[in-house]
Amino acid sequence: GNSVTQMEGPVTLSEEAFLTINCTYTATGYPSLFWYVQYPGEGLQLLLKATKADDKGSNKGFEATYRKETTSFHLEKGSVQVSDSAVYFCALSDPHTGGFKTIFGAGTRLFVKA
Amino acid sequence: DTGVSQNPRHKITKRGQNVTFRCDPISEHNRLYWYRQTLGQGPEFLTYFQNEAQLEKSRLLSDRFSAERPKGSFSTLEIQRTEQGDSAMYLCASSPRYEQPDTQYFGPGTRLTVL
Repeated sequence: GNSVTQMEGPVTLSEEAFLTINCTYTATGYPSLFWYVQYPGEGLQLLLKATKADDKGSNKGFEATYRKETTSFHLEKGSVQVSDSAVYFCALSDPHTGGFKTIFGAGTRLFVKA
Repeated sequence: DTGVSQNPRHKITKRGQNVTFRCDPISEHNRLYWYRQTLGQGPEFLTYFQNEAQLEKSRLLSDRFSAERPKGSFSTLEIQRTEQGDSAMYLCASSPRYEQPDTQYFGPGTRLTVL
């Protein structure tokens, strides 16, 4: 079945450091891939999305590229801020089975120190 | 656009009691989803409504769980005879007809603690 594996946290960085959070997936078809963010006390928010191979999703300085050959969708940001401290979830959906069921990874908590 | 709202935000109950949660989706969103998130894990899909029709239920949704969306607007999730293993955050999401079903807007969740 479809699944998502992401690196365990917590990840602790200093402000302005480079961020990478690894995510790999297993899927029988050609899924859409997502990164969601959950700030303390708030609901999940979609951060970025990619729907086909080699697509790059980007938002708020974060980027991720859909790599079919390595089944990966790693999240990157060139310079993190304290306000980026949150839990990040990699996720997929399969449009060929309706696309309504999103499968999430376990989440990676990021702490950014000033 | 006020976002998805969920009530209550927190619920503490004793084992064996019934609980009901409510989700109000974003206005005119025809799709509604329920997920469950346990501590340290990502959300897991429970069920999906398109308008008032419940189109998909996960096997995670045991016989003690029931979800309704009677008029295609708000939804309720009821858990009967709660067990300690039901302790989790219950998330609701909605999606408009003009976007793909995988574009989901999440509410803040209802945190259930079963003592």
